[in-house]
Amino acid sequence: EVVLTQSPATLSLSPGERATLSCRASQSVYTCLAWYQLKPGQSPRLLIYQASTRATGIPARFSGSGSGTDFTLTISSLEPDDFAVYYCQQCANRPPATFGGGTKVEIK
Amino acid sequence: QVPLQESGPRLVKPSETLSLTCSVSGVFISDHYWSWIRQSPGKGLEWIGHIYYDGTTNYNPSLKSRVAISIDTSKNQFSLNLSSVTAADTAVYYCVGAPNEYYFDYWGQGPLVTVSS
Repeated sequence: EVVLTQSPATLSLSPGERATLSCRASQSVYTCLAWYQLKPGQSPRLLIYQASTRATGIPARFSGSGSGTDFTLTISSLEPDDFAVYYCQQCANRPPATFGGGTKVEIK
Repeated sequence: QVPLQESGPRLVKPSETLSLTCSVSGVFISDHYWSWIRQSPGKGLEWIGHIYYDGTTNYNPSLKSRVAISIDTSKNQFSLNLSSVTAADTAVYYCVGAPNEYYFDYWGQGPLVTVSS
């Protein structure tokens, strides 16, 4: 089973700042990686798939990069609606699809 | 957004079977993969398994002995049965859909199911 390690666990930033979230895989997942946003009381939302492709309706301030074992989700300028928990998920080595432990982006 | 709605008991006794049904609207249940994903309190997301519209299933090896996912295309529904539950199975259970088996596009609201006597 592929283990995904996300860092940092918590990111404290102000609106307008740039957020950089990391996801590291225990073995290569090529570019088979997605990012999700989860807010309290809501369902997860797919943001990025195939490591760098934005899902339908996702604003351009969200971008993904990386391949192999190291991946990054960047939010170029944080909006108030972006404060949430973010999870990465790999699909290269299944079953099972696995998720990282999450990074919480909180208001500083 | 594709509306997905879970239904089923929110409280299950230990050793019994947890059963949930997901009703799909807005898309054809065919040509999609339908998954169950859960999140235990304070923990991350765990993929339980999926079913394709033709009935083909794939399960998380860690749960495989206790899981069954089925589909009823005539009703646009798919279901989860998780047997022999314990307190460790207490979680928010999401039904999820996607046009492929790699990513998860459409999520239900995710009811909290508690295992307790």
